[in-house]
Amino acid sequence: AQSVAQPEDQVNVAEGNPLTVKCTYSVSGNPYLFWYVQYPNRGLQFLLKYITGDNLVKGSYGFEAEFNKSQTSFHLKKPSALVSDSALYFCAVRVGDTGRRALTFGSGTRLQVQP
Amino acid sequence: NAGVTQTPKFRVLKTGQSMTLLCAQDMNHEYMYWYRQDPGMGLRLIHYSVGEGTTAKGEVPDGYNVSRLKKQNFLLGLESAAPSQTSVYFCASTHGPGRDTGELFFGEGSRLTVL
Repeated sequence: AQSVAQPEDQVNVAEGNPLTVKCTYSVSGNPYLFWYVQYPNRGLQFLLKYITGDNLVKGSYGFEAEFNKSQTSFHLKKPSALVSDSALYFCAVRVGDTGRRALTFGSGTRLQVQP
Repeated sequence: NAGVTQTPKFRVLKTGQSMTLLCAQDMNHEYMYWYRQDPGMGLRLIHYSVGEGTTAKGEVPDGYNVSRLKKQNFLLGLESAAPSQTSVYFCASTHGPGRDTGELFFGEGSRLTVL
């Protein structure tokens, strides 16, 4: 079985400050890891992914994430937060070699960026 | 390019009524999914399909049925709606064998309320 934990229901940060949204995972096999963002009353938008290669991956809107195999973590980061980054963020995982390719999602972390 | 389109976007049902949610994708994807999103629980997989004419159960399939008669369409049915099925439903799709980019592409969601 595979699972994702997002330990913080909400993260508050001031505009211009760095932000981190935490994610840890559990899978049996090679993990494919993803971050999605959801704005109010909208679908999920893909931000970035780790499949193989460099542990630091860069994605849309200046976000990046670091894959840490020993800590089974994939934290989302941004050097300087914007008010427009305020949204609901989901971490997701799947095993690389799987037939159905479905993602398992965490419970989500609400990011609030204050002006 | 519309991507993944869900209809209807909103629906209110009475307990015991039936309805069908339609998902259509124009990206020629083989794999399609139905998830439900509930507060604090992330997204949970209801059913999925790895190709035209095939369907399979996800983690929370009870009370739902699906059909994939055409490659571009994936229908989710509720035969006898219950208040516990009040949720936001998301359809997603991704590439088939030979092209695994990992990420899923999501629709905008269908908000269902069962009274």
